Amino acid sequence: GESVGLHLPTLSVQEGDNSIINCAYSNSASDYFIWYKQESGKGPQFIIDIRSNMDKRQGQRVTVLLNKTVKHLSLQIAATQPGDSAVYFCAENRFNNNDMRFGAGTRLTVKP
Amino acid sequence: NAGVMQNPRHLVRRRGQEARLRCSPMKGHSHVYWYRQLPEEGLKFMVYLQKENIIDESGMPKERFSAEFPKEGPSILRIQQVVRGDSAAYFCASSPPGLAGWAQYFGPGTRLTVL
Repeated sequence: GESVGLHLPTLSVQEGDNSIINCAYSNSASDYFIWYKQESGKGPQFIIDIRSNMDKRQGQRVTVLLNKTVKHLSLQIAATQPGDSAVYFCAENRFNNNDMRFGAGTRLTVKP
Repeated sequence: NAGVMQNPRHLVRRRGQEARLRCSPMKGHSHVYWYRQLPEEGLKFMVYLQKENIIDESGMPKERFSAEFPKEGPSILRIQQVVRGDSAAYFCASSPPGLAGWAQYFGPGTRLTVL
């Protein structure tokens, strides 16, 4: 079946380094992608989104890249800080579809 | 601006009891979604509601689970005759009217423990 998955379940980086979290999706009909950050004991927090008519979008210290050819999504975090330690989920959605599908998540640990 | 609110934050029930989880969407949002999350896993869609209407309940178990979003008041996820396997975190999300499924904002979740 179609799914959204992540390449790596865990990622450990040094404080100040850049982090890259990857996500693969298989549904070519997906046209909207979102990255969420979930800290322990909290709900997912919206970070950044991108629509399928774009291949890059930048926010504050974060960049999302979308490669529709290989159905790949990535989240880049610049100058990673200890407060970035969390589980990061990518999610896909289709226009006017209510079934937002989440991957299993990548746990990012930032070492001081 | 208050975000999505859920209560209770923690709920303990014994097997066979009923669990009622409440969700108040963000102000101005008319779409509500419920998700379930097991430890170290992603979120599984359960149900999508608008005021007084269930739009999509394809992720809801066929038995014991029900959801509503009345004209007045919060959305309620109800689990009857709970079993240990119902123990999980239940998250509610809301989005503004218009295009469904975009820009969902999540509440803090209700952690249900079934003894």
